[in-house]
Amino acid sequence: DIQMTQSPSTLSASVGDRVTITCRASQSISSKLAWYQQKPGKAPKLLIYKVSSLESGVPSRFSGSGSGTEFTLTISSLQPDDFATYYCQQYQTYWTFGQGTKVEIK
Amino acid sequence: EVQLVESGGGPVKPGGSLRLSCAASGFTFNNYNINWVRQAPGRGLEWVSSVSTSSIHIWYADSVKGRFTISRDNVRNSVYLQMNSLRAEDTAVYYCSRSLAEGTGDYWGHGALVTVSS
Repeated sequence: DIQMTQSPSTLSASVGDRVTITCRASQSISSKLAWYQQKPGKAPKLLIYKVSSLESGVPSRFSGSGSGTEFTLTISSLQPDDFATYYCQQYQTYWTFGQGTKVEIK
Repeated sequence: EVQLVESGGGPVKPGGSLRLSCAASGFTFNNYNINWVRQAPGRGLEWVSSVSTSSIHIWYADSVKGRFTISRDNVRNSVYLQMNSLRAEDTAVYYCSRSLAEGTGDYWGHGALVTVSS
Protein backbone atom coordinates (compact mmCIF):
# COMPACT_ATOMS: atom_id res chain seq x y z
CA ASP A 1 0.00 0.00 0.00
CA ILE A 2 1.08 3.56 -0.69
CA GLN A 3 1.61 5.62 2.46
CA MET A 4 1.36 9.42 2.51
CA THR A 5 3.26 11.45 5.10
CA GLN A 6 2.47 15.13 5.63
CA SER A 7 4.44 17.72 7.54
CA PRO A 8 4.00 19.60 9.70
CA SER A 9 1.01 18.24 11.63
CA THR A 10 0.20 21.70 12.92
CA LEU A 11 1.22 25.08 11.59
CA SER A 12 0.69 28.42 13.33
CA ALA A 13 0.59 31.38 10.98
CA SER A 14 -0.74 34.91 10.60
CA VAL A 15 -2.91 36.48 7.94
CA GLY A 16 -0.69 37.43 5.02
CA ASP A 17 1.93 34.74 5.70
CA ARG A 18 3.23 32.42 3.00
CA VAL A 19 2.48 28.86 4.08
CA THR A 20 3.98 25.63 2.77
CA ILE A 21 2.83 22.08 3.53
CA THR A 22 4.82 19.06 2.40
CA CYS A 23 3.62 15.60 1.47
CA ARG A 24 5.76 12.55 0.79
CA ALA A 25 4.60 9.34 -0.85
CA SER A 26 6.14 5.96 0.01
CA GLN A 27 6.54 5.24 -3.70
CA SER A 28 6.18 7.11 -6.95
CA ILE A 29 2.62 8.19 -7.66
CA SER A 30 3.29 9.90 -10.97
CA SER A 31 1.06 13.00 -10.98
CA LYS A 32 -1.87 11.41 -9.10
CA LEU A 33 -1.74 13.83 -6.17
CA ALA A 34 -4.52 16.03 -4.82
CA TRP A 35 -4.92 18.50 -1.97
CA TYR A 36 -8.09 19.01 0.07
CA GLN A 37 -9.18 21.61 2.60
CA GLN A 38 -11.51 20.64 5.43
CA LYS A 39 -13.23 22.80 8.00
CA PRO A 40 -14.82 21.43 11.20
CA GLY A 41 -18.09 19.62 10.54
CA LYS A 42 -17.77 19.97 6.78
CA ALA A 43 -16.87 17.66 3.93
CA PRO A 44 -13.42 17.93 2.36
CA LYS A 45 -13.14 20.42 -0.48
CA LEU A 46 -10.92 19.67 -3.47
CA LEU A 47 -8.34 22.41 -4.01
CA ILE A 48 -5.76 20.94 -6.36
CA TYR A 49 -5.57 17.78 -8.49
CA LYS A 50 -2.88 16.28 -10.70
CA VAL A 51 -0.21 17.95 -8.50
CA SER A 52 -0.74 21.52 -9.67
CA SER A 53 -4.14 21.89 -11.39
CA LEU A 54 -6.38 24.31 -9.54
CA GLU A 55 -9.97 23.17 -9.10
CA SER A 56 -12.54 25.56 -10.51
CA GLY A 57 -13.41 28.37 -8.10
CA VAL A 58 -10.33 27.91 -5.89
CA PRO A 59 -8.39 31.16 -5.31
CA SER A 60 -5.09 31.52 -7.12
CA ARG A 61 -3.21 32.00 -3.84
CA PHE A 62 -3.28 28.19 -3.61
CA SER A 63 -0.68 26.34 -5.67
CA GLY A 64 0.79 22.87 -5.82
CA SER A 65 4.09 21.51 -7.02
CA GLY A 66 6.29 18.44 -6.93
CA SER A 67 6.82 15.15 -8.68
CA GLY A 68 7.43 11.48 -8.03
CA THR A 69 7.25 11.22 -4.25
CA GLU A 70 7.64 14.80 -2.94
CA PHE A 71 4.86 17.35 -3.19
CA THR A 72 4.07 20.78 -1.79
CA LEU A 73 0.98 22.89 -1.21
CA THR A 74 1.65 26.62 -0.95
CA ILE A 75 -0.70 29.38 0.14
CA SER A 76 0.95 32.59 -1.04
CA SER A 77 -0.82 34.97 1.35
CA LEU A 78 -2.89 33.35 4.09
CA GLN A 79 -6.43 34.69 4.41
CA PRO A 80 -8.86 34.36 7.35
CA ASP A 81 -10.92 31.79 5.43
CA ASP A 82 -7.84 29.56 5.00
CA PHE A 83 -7.56 28.46 8.62
CA ALA A 84 -8.48 24.81 8.27
CA THR A 85 -7.01 21.31 7.99
CA TYR A 86 -5.33 20.31 4.75
CA TYR A 87 -4.91 16.77 3.43
CA CYS A 88 -2.84 15.42 0.59
CA GLN A 89 -4.15 12.37 -1.24
CA GLN A 90 -2.72 9.91 -3.73
CA TYR A 91 -5.04 8.32 -6.27
CA GLN A 92 -2.49 6.27 -8.17
CA THR A 93 -3.58 3.06 -6.42
CA TYR A 94 -6.92 3.26 -4.62
CA TRP A 95 -6.89 6.39 -2.42
CA THR A 96 -4.65 7.20 0.52
CA PHE A 97 -4.68 10.42 2.51
CA GLY A 98 -1.97 12.08 4.53
CA GLN A 99 -2.64 12.53 8.23
CA GLY A 100 -3.52 16.20 7.79
CA THR A 101 -2.01 19.59 8.59
CA LYS A 102 -3.97 21.94 10.79
CA VAL A 103 -3.32 25.60 9.98
CA GLU A 104 -3.97 27.65 13.10
CA ILE A 105 -4.04 31.35 13.86
CA LYS A 106 -0.76 32.49 15.39
CA GLU B 1 -26.28 21.48 -9.35
CA VAL B 2 -24.24 18.40 -8.41
CA GLN B 3 -25.51 16.83 -5.21
CA LEU B 4 -24.55 13.75 -3.25
CA VAL B 5 -26.68 13.00 -0.20
CA GLU B 6 -25.84 10.27 2.28
CA SER B 7 -28.44 8.62 4.49
CA GLY B 8 -28.85 5.58 6.70
CA GLY B 9 -26.41 6.46 9.46
CA GLY B 10 -27.17 6.09 13.14
CA PRO B 11 -26.34 4.12 16.26
CA VAL B 12 -25.72 0.38 16.07
CA LYS B 13 -24.38 -2.23 18.48
CA PRO B 14 -21.08 -4.04 17.88
CA GLY B 15 -21.65 -6.97 15.54
CA GLY B 16 -24.67 -5.26 14.00
CA SER B 17 -25.37 -4.14 10.46
CA LEU B 18 -26.25 -0.88 8.73
CA ARG B 19 -26.77 0.15 5.12
CA LEU B 20 -25.72 3.58 3.96
CA SER B 21 -27.15 5.15 0.82
CA CYS B 22 -25.70 7.86 -1.39
CA ALA B 23 -28.24 9.54 -3.67
CA ALA B 24 -26.80 11.49 -6.59
CA SER B 25 -28.30 14.21 -8.76
CA GLY B 26 -27.28 17.00 -11.08
CA PHE B 27 -24.83 15.00 -13.22
CA THR B 28 -24.63 11.93 -15.47
CA PHE B 29 -24.36 9.36 -12.72
CA ASN B 30 -23.15 6.42 -14.79
CA ASN B 31 -20.13 8.39 -16.01
CA TYR B 32 -18.57 8.47 -12.56
CA ASN B 33 -17.05 6.12 -10.04
CA ILE B 34 -18.49 6.52 -6.55
CA ASN B 35 -16.31 6.32 -3.47
CA TRP B 36 -16.84 6.05 0.28
CA VAL B 37 -14.42 7.79 2.64
CA ARG B 38 -14.79 7.85 6.42
CA GLN B 39 -13.50 10.03 9.22
CA ALA B 40 -13.44 8.83 12.81
CA PRO B 41 -14.06 11.51 15.46
CA GLY B 42 -11.05 13.82 15.64
CA ARG B 43 -9.11 11.76 13.10
CA GLY B 44 -8.09 12.00 9.46
CA LEU B 45 -9.67 10.75 6.25
CA GLU B 46 -9.69 7.04 5.41
CA TRP B 47 -10.74 5.63 2.05
CA VAL B 48 -13.21 2.75 2.47
CA SER B 49 -14.47 1.52 -0.88
CA SER B 50 -15.05 2.44 -4.52
CA VAL B 51 -17.24 1.18 -7.34
CA SER B 52 -16.69 1.81 -11.03
CA THR B 53 -19.31 3.13 -13.43
CA SER B 54 -20.80 -0.24 -14.38
CA SER B 55 -19.84 -2.04 -11.16
CA ILE B 56 -17.26 -4.14 -13.01
CA HIS B 57 -14.54 -2.92 -10.68
CA ILE B 58 -14.99 -2.78 -6.91
CA TRP B 59 -12.31 -2.01 -4.38
CA TYR B 60 -12.16 -2.18 -0.58
CA ALA B 61 -9.75 -1.06 2.11
CA ASP B 62 -8.24 -3.98 4.03
CA SER B 63 -9.91 -2.69 7.20
CA VAL B 64 -13.40 -3.41 5.82
CA LYS B 65 -12.80 -6.23 3.33
CA GLY B 66 -15.15 -9.14 3.97
CA ARG B 67 -17.47 -7.04 6.14
CA PHE B 68 -18.60 -4.19 3.86
CA THR B 69 -20.22 -4.49 0.43
CA ILE B 70 -20.58 -1.63 -2.03
CA SER B 71 -23.16 -1.64 -4.81
CA ARG B 72 -24.74 0.83 -7.18
CA ASP B 73 -28.04 1.24 -9.00
CA ASN B 74 -27.61 3.30 -12.17
CA VAL B 75 -31.39 3.55 -12.60
CA ARG B 76 -31.92 5.07 -9.16
CA ASN B 77 -28.65 7.06 -9.31
CA SER B 78 -27.66 5.63 -5.96
CA VAL B 79 -24.80 3.80 -4.30
CA TYR B 80 -25.09 1.67 -1.21
CA LEU B 81 -22.65 0.54 1.45
CA GLN B 82 -23.79 -2.53 3.34
CA MET B 83 -21.84 -2.71 6.59
CA ASN B 84 -21.89 -5.96 8.55
CA SER B 85 -20.06 -7.16 11.67
CA LEU B 86 -19.60 -3.58 12.76
CA ARG B 87 -16.93 -2.73 15.31
CA ALA B 88 -16.34 0.24 17.57
CA GLU B 89 -13.52 1.35 15.28
CA ASP B 90 -16.01 1.71 12.40
CA THR B 91 -17.52 4.70 14.23
CA ALA B 92 -17.08 7.62 11.84
CA VAL B 93 -18.69 10.08 9.50
CA TYR B 94 -19.04 8.35 6.14
CA TYR B 95 -18.79 10.53 3.03
CA CYS B 96 -19.58 9.55 -0.53
CA SER B 97 -17.85 11.31 -3.40
CA ARG B 98 -17.76 11.03 -7.16
CA SER B 99 -14.69 10.71 -9.34
CA LEU B 100 -13.86 10.05 -12.94
CA ALA B 101 -12.03 6.80 -13.63
CA GLU B 102 -8.44 7.15 -12.32
CA GLY B 103 -9.39 10.52 -10.85
CA THR B 104 -10.04 11.99 -7.44
CA GLY B 105 -13.17 13.19 -5.68
CA ASP B 106 -14.39 16.56 -6.88
CA TYR B 107 -17.81 16.56 -5.19
CA TRP B 108 -18.60 15.14 -1.78
CA GLY B 109 -21.74 14.64 0.24
CA HIS B 110 -22.26 16.15 3.68
CA GLY B 111 -21.62 12.82 5.42
CA ALA B 112 -23.56 10.32 7.54
CA LEU B 113 -22.55 9.53 11.12
CA VAL B 114 -22.31 5.89 12.12
CA THR B 115 -21.85 5.19 15.83
CA VAL B 116 -20.99 1.65 16.91
CA SER B 117 -21.43 1.29 20.64
CA SER B 118 -22.96 -1.08 23.15
